[in-house]
Parts: sequence; structure tokens; C-alpha cells
Amino acid sequence: KQEVTQIPAALSVPEGENLVLNCSFTDSAIYNLQWFRQDPGKGLTSLLLIQSSQREQTSGRLNASLDKSSGRSTLYIAASQPGDSATYLCAVTSGTYKYIFGTGTRLKVLA
Amino acid sequence: GAVVSQHPSWVICKSGTSVKIECRSLDFQATTMFWYRQFPKQSLMLMATSNEGSKATYEQGVEKDKFLINHASLTLSTLTVTSAHPEDSSFYICSARDQGRFEKLFFGSGTQLSVL
Repeated sequence: KQEVTQIPAALSVPEGENLVLNCSFTDSAIYNLQWFRQDPGKGLTSLLLIQSSQREQTSGRLNASLDKSSGRSTLYIAASQPGDSATYLCAVTSGTYKYIFGTGTRLKVLA
Repeated sequence: GAVVSQHPSWVICKSGTSVKIECRSLDFQATTMFWYRQFPKQSLMLMATSNEGSKATYEQGVEKDKFLINHASLTLSTLTVTSAHPEDSSFYICSARDQGRFEKLFFGSGTQLSVL
């Protein structure tokens, strides 16, 4: 059974810092991995999708890497801003399109 | 980008009533939609997979007679919480798969259900 864990569970940093959020999964046979952002009481916004054959994806200040063999992905946020404050979730699917979500990292960027 | 509309965004109801939540894909066809439930400060838990024109597939431990799912068209799936009880209070989120966009998953804005 696939299990997805995210570390740290919560993070509070001053504005401008570069951040690394971690995601690990127990079954390396994944089809793809997505990073999402969730604001309080809201739905999810897809940030980056990495196919199993890819090693990283970039969008603006965000960079996500994937090491499938070790069951790990990282989300790198450069020059963090207060507007980045949210919960970040990673999710994996094995090809059935059912995503298994991680426990999330609650990020707070202080002005 | 692809938009998934979920309605209502919040609902308060008395114990024993039924509540229907709608999930629509606005600019793409979704043969498959997914329903998730999220308790406070917890992650999303998949409840069921909704397939257009066929019966939904429920995850282990989810009562199919309590959470009725109907996916009657390529753009609409509904979740009905029947005879709701306080323990059903939760944040329900739908998502739809867009095959034409690298199989990204797009999410609705969620529905906060509070059962009194």
C-alpha cells in the first residue's frame, strides 16, 4: 500500500529565504507526482507535475525534483514571499489516476 | 487553465437530511472524476472514483449507500451525502482528470459540510 509522507509538517520562515519541502513515498512504481498548494478552506491548485521518466520540473520560483528509485521528491521555493504561505501537498499515482496524498507541509512566510 | 467548479462552497444542515454536492468541469470533458474528503489539518483521503456512465468505485471503508455518486455526463458528477450525521462534517473536494493536458488533476474549490 502506497504511503506518502511530507517533512516538515510545518515551517515558518522570514521573507526572502529559499525553502526545501520534502516528500517521500514507499512504492517507487509511480506514474507521476504532483505538487499542490492549498489555501485555508479552499481547493487545491496544481503547481508542478513530474512524470516518472522526468527528474525535475520548474515553474517560476518553484522547482520540483524526483528521485523515483529512492522514493523522494523535493519542492524548492526560491526567494519566499508572504503570498507563498499555504499548505503544500504532494501526491503520487501509480497509473490508475487515483492520487495518494501526503500529509502536507504548512508554510508560513513572515513579512 | 482548466476549471473545475464545485457547488455549494459550504452547507449547514440538520442531522438526518441529505446534501448534494455538484462538481463540473467547465472547459474540458472528464470521463473520470474523484471525490476526496479532508478533515481539519489532515490530508485528502480518496473516497471514490466517479466514472461517466457507469457505477462509481468506492475506496475501502467508504459506504456506497451513504455517499451516492452520479456521473451522468462528461462534465458533471454529483456526491449526495444521505442521512447526514455530525461525523460526516468535513471538507469535500472533487477533482477531474484532463486527458488532454498531460493528465493533470484539477480540483474544485471544495465544499465545507457542517451537520448539526
